[in-house]
Amino acid sequence: DAGVTQSPTHLIKTRGQQVTLRCSPKSGHDTVSWYQQALGQGPQFIFQYYEEEERQRGNFPDRFSGHQFPNYSSELNVNALLLGDSALYLCASSLGRTSGPFFGPGTRLTVL
Amino acid sequence: KQEVTQIPAALSVPEGENLVLNCSFTDSAIYNLQWFRQDPGKGLTSLLLIQSSQREQTSGRLNASLDKSSGRSTLYIAASQPGDSATYLCAVRPLQGGSEKLVFGKGTKLTVNP
Repeated sequence: DAGVTQSPTHLIKTRGQQVTLRCSPKSGHDTVSWYQQALGQGPQFIFQYYEEEERQRGNFPDRFSGHQFPNYSSELNVNALLLGDSALYLCASSLGRTSGPFFGPGTRLTVL
Repeated sequence: KQEVTQIPAALSVPEGENLVLNCSFTDSAIYNLQWFRQDPGKGLTSLLLIQSSQREQTSGRLNASLDKSSGRSTLYIAASQPGDSATYLCAVRPLQGGSEKLVFGKGTKLTVNP
């Protein structure tokens, strides 16, 4: 079992550009959540996808959008990048609520 | 709004010492509480998950307790080792509105010196 995988591992973009991050959930998991972790901070919830729909959203602007595919994998899209979007983006997958989510290794995004 | 605080922000101890990390949360209406470990620039590894109806969980040298009514949790690490050096994060899942998200503290950065 490969666990949660994310791609790419690192990414450098410039202000105003758009970026897409990808996540494959742990085998058997149907729910994917995305978190943003700025340097020295705890992760902040962006949104969660279940059955290809956004089930819950945190306090993030509409520049952040996502998608879940029929195979449960997910994408996070960020438009009009700002310097403040530089962070580690974490994907977590789960099945139900009784077990905690499993986190991927993250994608480090740097916006110049 | 649920807020999670972790004290201390950083801790440096000699190898072999027993230590306690603290976590407090403002709203006792939680589904569960989880402790994670994060190595520099890496993802999160779940250490212990305590359901709201439980008082503690143990795994090897780790023991986590939960006092939901007072909004506190502690992570006890016995006989610390240099390999325990990492940032430890506490997170709660709020009950409100069937919340699916985890609310994290900022973490405690632990350094265990040989």
